[in-house]
Amino acid sequence: KQEVTQIPAALSVPEGENLVLNCSFTDSAIYNLQWFRQDPGKGLTSLLLIQSSQREQTSGRLNASLDKSSGRSTLYIAASQPGDSATYLCAVGLSGNTGKLIFGQGTTLQVKP
Amino acid sequence: GAGVSQSPSNKVTEKGKDVELRCDPISGHTALYWYRQSLGQGLEFLIYFQGNSAPDKSGLPSDRFSAERTGGSVSTLTIQRTQQEDSAVYLCASSLAAGGPQHFGDGTRLSIL
Repeated sequence: KQEVTQIPAALSVPEGENLVLNCSFTDSAIYNLQWFRQDPGKGLTSLLLIQSSQREQTSGRLNASLDKSSGRSTLYIAASQPGDSATYLCAVGLSGNTGKLIFGQGTTLQVKP
Repeated sequence: GAGVSQSPSNKVTEKGKDVELRCDPISGHTALYWYRQSLGQGLEFLIYFQGNSAPDKSGLPSDRFSAERTGGSVSTLTIQRTQQEDSAVYLCASSLAAGGPQHFGDGTRLSIL
C-alpha cells in the first residue's frame, strides 16, 4: 500500500529565505507526482507535476525534484514571500493511469514579513 | 465558469438525513475525481470517473456512499443516512485526461449534527 509522508509538518521562516519541503513515498511504482498549494477554506491549486520519467520541474521560484528509486521528492521555494504562506501537499499518482492520487498530510508554511 | 464548481459550499444536516453534493468539472475534462478531507485522515480518494463510468470506486467508505456522472459532465456524490463521522470537506477535481494535472474545486464543507 502506497504511503506518502511529508516533513516537516509545519515550518516558519523569515521573508527572503530559500526553503525545501520534503515528501517521501513507499512504493516507487508511481505514474507521476504532483505538488499542490492549499489556502485556508479553499481547494487545491496545482503547482508542479513531475512524470515518473522526469527528474525535475520548474515554475518561477518553484523547483520540484523526483528521485523514484529512493522514494523522495523535494519542493524548493526560492526567495520566499509572505504570499507563499499556505499548506503544501505532495500527492503520488499510482501506476495504472487512473490518475488516482495518494496525498501526504501536508506542510504548513508561514513566511514572516 | 473556467474552474471546477462545487455546490453547496457548506451543508449542515442532521444525522440520518441524505445529502447530495454536486460537482461541475471544467468543460471538456473527461476525468473526474472525488476526495474527502478530514482533520484526522487528511485527503482521501473516494472515486474516479472516466466519462460516465467509474472504473475505480475503491475509496468509497461504505455502501451509504454513491456517485454518478451524467453527460460526461456534472457529477453528484450522495451520502445516505449520514453519520457524524461523515463530517468533512468533500473535494472534486477534474483533469483533461486521467493522469494529467488535476484541478480542484473549493469543496463542500459537510457538517453532521
